[in-house]
Amino acid sequence: EILMTQSPATLSVSPGERATLSCRASHTISNTLAWYQQKPGQAPRLLIYGASTRATGVPARFSGSGSGTEFTLTISSLQSEDFAVYYCQLYNNWGAFGQGTKLEIK
Amino acid sequence: EVQLVQSGEGLVQPGGSLRLSCVASGFTFGSYAMHWVRQAPGKGLEYISAITSDGGSTFYADSVKGRFTVSRDNSKNMLYLQMDILRPEDMAVYYCAKAFGGGDYWNLFDYWGQGTLVTVSS
Repeated sequence: EILMTQSPATLSVSPGERATLSCRASHTISNTLAWYQQKPGQAPRLLIYGASTRATGVPARFSGSGSGTEFTLTISSLQSEDFAVYYCQLYNNWGAFGQGTKLEIK
Repeated sequence: EVQLVQSGEGLVQPGGSLRLSCVASGFTFGSYAMHWVRQAPGKGLEYISAITSDGGSTFYADSVKGRFTVSRDNSKNMLYLQMDILRPEDMAVYYCAKAFGGGDYWNLFDYWGQGTLVTVSS
C-alpha cells in the first residue's frame, strides 16, 4: 500500500503571497497525482490532475509539479477564496488521499 | 451542467441500516464509474466504495467491506449506498463522486455530490 503524506498540516500565509504545499508518496509513483480543494461545508473540488494539469475552470495561479515521490501544489498569489483545506490523491492506487493541509490566513 | 444530488441523510442507532441515494444529471451516467467518499467530523477524506459503469463490479475499503453495498440503476441515473450494521465510527458526511474517465482516471473524481450527513448514535 502506498501512503500519501502531506506537509505541513497547517500553513499560514498572507494574502498576495505564495503558498507551497507538499505531498510525499511512500514509494515512487507515476504522475497519477491529483489535488483537491475543500472549503468548509462544501464538497471537494478537483484542482490538478496528472500532477500538473489544471482542471477545467481552475485559475492559473494554481500549479502542480513533481515526480517520483515528491509533489507540490503552488498557489502563486493567494486570494481570499483560496484559504481552504487541500488534499492530494494518488488516483491509480485505490484513490487514497493524503491527510490534508489547511491553508489559513496569516 | 453535471449535477450529483444526494439524499438519505439520517440518524441511526448502532447496528442499524440506512440507504443513501445520488441522482445524476448532465452526463451519460451509464458510461462512468461512480464512487463514494466519506469524511468523519473534522477529519480527512476516506475513499470507501466504487462501482463500474455497468454495475458489474464493486469495490470496498476494508473499513466497510461486508457491511456496505454499492449499486446503481442506469435507467434512472441513480447511485446507491446501502449501509448495514452501522457503527459509531461510520458517522460522517458521505459524498458520491463521478469518475473523470476510464483507465488511470477511474479513481479520479471530477464532480461531487453535496454530501449527506450520517449520524450513528444511540
